[in-house]
Amino acid sequence: DGGITQSPKYLFRKEGQNVTLSCEQNLNHDAMYWYRQDPGQGLRLIYYSQIVNDFQKGDIAEGYSVSREKKESFPLTVTSAQKNPTAFYLCASSHLGDTEAFFGQGTRLTVV
Amino acid sequence: DAKTTQPPSMDCAEGRAANLPCNHSTISGNEYVYWYRQIHSQGPQYIIHGLKNNETNEMASLIITEDRKSSTLILPHATLRDTAVYYCIVRVLNNAGNMLTFGGGTRLMVKP
Repeated sequence: DGGITQSPKYLFRKEGQNVTLSCEQNLNHDAMYWYRQDPGQGLRLIYYSQIVNDFQKGDIAEGYSVSREKKESFPLTVTSAQKNPTAFYLCASSHLGDTEAFFGQGTRLTVV
Repeated sequence: DAKTTQPPSMDCAEGRAANLPCNHSTISGNEYVYWYRQIHSQGPQYIIHGLKNNETNEMASLIITEDRKSSTLILPHATLRDTAVYYCIVRVLNNAGNMLTFGGGTRLMVKP
């Protein structure tokens, strides 16, 4: 089935460690996005990519990094520079100009 | 993108229509109104979008006022599975991608 997959669903890391969240899609979408959601809040855009080997910062990119080496994959690295990394992370994809973005089921990251 | 205002929470009886309002008084002529919903701990799901005409699909109806400064999402026969946070988003539809700005949304509780 076509879709967008995030793994793992739950992730625990010690403070000061970098961690990479996976996002894969087989929908042949050009654009991919990473959002962060804190409890009781809406989603905030971290990074987005409209084409392979290119990406742009969103509203809260500090402390995060991404890569887009393949159309299907858009991994997000939460670095030790991110002051408050514990959150729910959501990946999405869409065709350029399309009306609908498809979201993964999210990764809940807890840093202790 | 224009800012939206939604009530933080609403209740609805199962089987009745749920009418979720959204104010977007600063909307521009080329901005569309989108609705997404997020069931607890899952990724958001696209519901519907419109520019100025009323729209209907298998999930919901979207009523946009003539001056386009507000809209209402209607779930005609709410079920318990419609309990979720509903987000109203206003953005330009272009080829640049789907960088969505999510506010706090409306938490809809459907009660038996």
